[in-house]
This record gives sequence, structure tokens and C-alpha cells, in this order.
Amino acid sequence: DAGITQSPRHKVTETGTPVTLRCHQTENHRYMYWYRQDPGHGLRLIHYSYGVKDTDKGEVSDGYSVSRSKTEDFLLTLESATSSQTSVYFCAISGDGKAFFGQGTRLTVV
Amino acid sequence: KQEVTQIPAALSVPEGENLVLNCSFTDSAIYNLQWFRQDPGKGLTSLLLIQSSQREQTSGRLNASLDKSSGRSTLYIAASQPGDSATYLCATIQGAQKLVFGQGTRLTINP
Repeated sequence: DAGITQSPRHKVTETGTPVTLRCHQTENHRYMYWYRQDPGHGLRLIHYSYGVKDTDKGEVSDGYSVSRSKTEDFLLTLESATSSQTSVYFCAISGDGKAFFGQGTRLTVV
Repeated sequence: KQEVTQIPAALSVPEGENLVLNCSFTDSAIYNLQWFRQDPGKGLTSLLLIQSSQREQTSGRLNASLDKSSGRSTLYIAASQPGDSATYLCATIQGAQKLVFGQGTRLTINP
């Protein structure tokens, strides 16, 4: 299995608070992604990174920001969490045209 | 914009049957196509990767084919087992290594 770790695995937070999710890889892959998965919507890309300090928006980026200061870490921040951001968040990495996923973070915004 | 569709959305078959899951995509300019499996509450596990220059890949009882010209891929599962029950997703990989996923097929194998 590829070395990709998400933290935390579960989080409950209150509406309006900032939240940061972390993705850490040990594969030295250039590309890293954040997805959210919701019933009826499947996997949707939030943001992705193609190198240190190089990021771009996906299809559902509103309300989210990302940062990548090191190859191995990709952070996803919910600037002011809302109930619509309750979801399961997956980090992925890709190299040589193949993708690997983390185990996911279940985020509940109350 | 790439769109990936998986049909059927759900499938229930008795143990031992051979089955085919379908994946179609609208933009044939892909690098690779990857099939994943997802168990409830878990992450995605890569099953097979088909490069754009290949027609198929095999791993054990699984065989995936790719026809770029028609925008289709199929995942064939031979001699299905209850442990094969999961959601199967396909994803195309294009420029900037972007993955675009289908909605998945939820497969149930009945003992």
C-alpha cells in the first residue's frame, strides 16, 4: 500500500469554526488531491496540488483553502465550517499515472 | 469537461456468477483508466490500472478492458464471491493527473 496518511480520522466541529485536515505522504509523489464524498454525489475534487506551493481549484472549492509547503504534506482548511461541509474527505496522491487514496476523514459540522 | 458514467448503479447477483461492470467516459483523451474498490466506511483500494496504450489488464479473477475510441471500460469479475461485495468505481486520468470518477456500482454477492 502507498504511504498516505490522513489526520484526524474523525472530527466533530461547530459551525463557524476553522478546521484543518492533514494529508501526509511518504511516496514523494508530485500530485496530491483533496476530494469529498457524499451520498448521491460521488467523489468530487476540492483542490489539488502539482508541486510545493502550486495548487489549483477543483469543482467544489468554495469555502475551502489548501496549502502545500512541503512535498509530503497537503493541508485542507475549512475557513468557517458550515453544515453543508459535513462529509467524508479523502486525500489522494498520484504518480506514474496511478492514484492512491488515504483512509478518509469523517467530518461532522454541528 | 470529462464525464464518467457507471451503469448499473447497483447490482445484486448470486455467488459464483460471472459479471460485468460498465464505465463510460465522454473525452477519449485520457492517460489511464483506473478501477477502485471501496468497502463501506473505508478508503478506495486500487484494483487495476489500464494505460491508454493498453487494451486490458488482469489480476486474479478480475479483468478490465479499455476501448478509448468508444469511451468505454469494463470490469469483469469471474466466479463472484460474497467477499467481492463492495462499491466499484472507475476513474479516468487526464492532464495534470486529474482523476474524474464515476458514481460507482454497488455490488452485492448473495451466498
